Amino acid sequence: TQLLEQSPQFLSIQEGENLTVYCNSSSVFSSLQWYRQEPGEGPVLLVTVVTGGEVKKLKRLTFQFGDARKDSSLHITAAQPGDTGLYLCAGGSNYKLTFGKGTLLTVNP
Amino acid sequence: GAVVSQHPSWVICKSGTSVKIECRSLDFQATTMFWYRQFPKQSLMLMATSNEGSKATYEQGVEKDKFLINHASLTLSTLTVTSAHPEDSSFYICSGGGGGTTRGEQYFGPGTRLTVT
Repeated sequence: TQLLEQSPQFLSIQEGENLTVYCNSSSVFSSLQWYRQEPGEGPVLLVTVVTGGEVKKLKRLTFQFGDARKDSSLHITAAQPGDTGLYLCAGGSNYKLTFGKGTLLTVNP
Repeated sequence: GAVVSQHPSWVICKSGTSVKIECRSLDFQATTMFWYRQFPKQSLMLMATSNEGSKATYEQGVEKDKFLINHASLTLSTLTVTSAHPEDSSFYICSGGGGGTTRGEQYFGPGTRLTVT
């Protein structure tokens, strides 16, 4: 069974602070996706990384895939209240996704 | 692109009745559709995977006779919760993936909130 450990589980910060969310596994995934979910809605895909060592930037969000394709991180610079939500990492294998438990981020104004 | 819709967005039903939830891929053909269940402030739990025209594959612990899945076309999958009980109350989310997407991504519907009284 492939497992994804996501940390921290909860994070409450002030507007303007930086933060990093980690996603770790003992398994290798063919791809890794990051999603953001708001209450009462479905997850929205933020990024997909497929190559070991890959770094992708999406405005203030930086995503990194580990060299061994077992771990990933999401870094947010100068967080804003609009970044509040549940961040989920998901490892892809044979079109099936294994989700981490999620990081519930609250950015206070 | 890659939009998935779900209907209804919320439903309240009485214990013992059945409820059908529809999942449609609007602008792509989802060769594979997935059904998830999510409890408050928790992650998504995969219930089953369905390929168009084939029987669904259920995850361990998910009752296939209780959660009936039909994937009759490349754009429509349905989940029927039969003889619903209060413990079935949850947020059900579908996603489309497989051949209709690249690199294994899944695109999620907005979810259906089911409350069984």
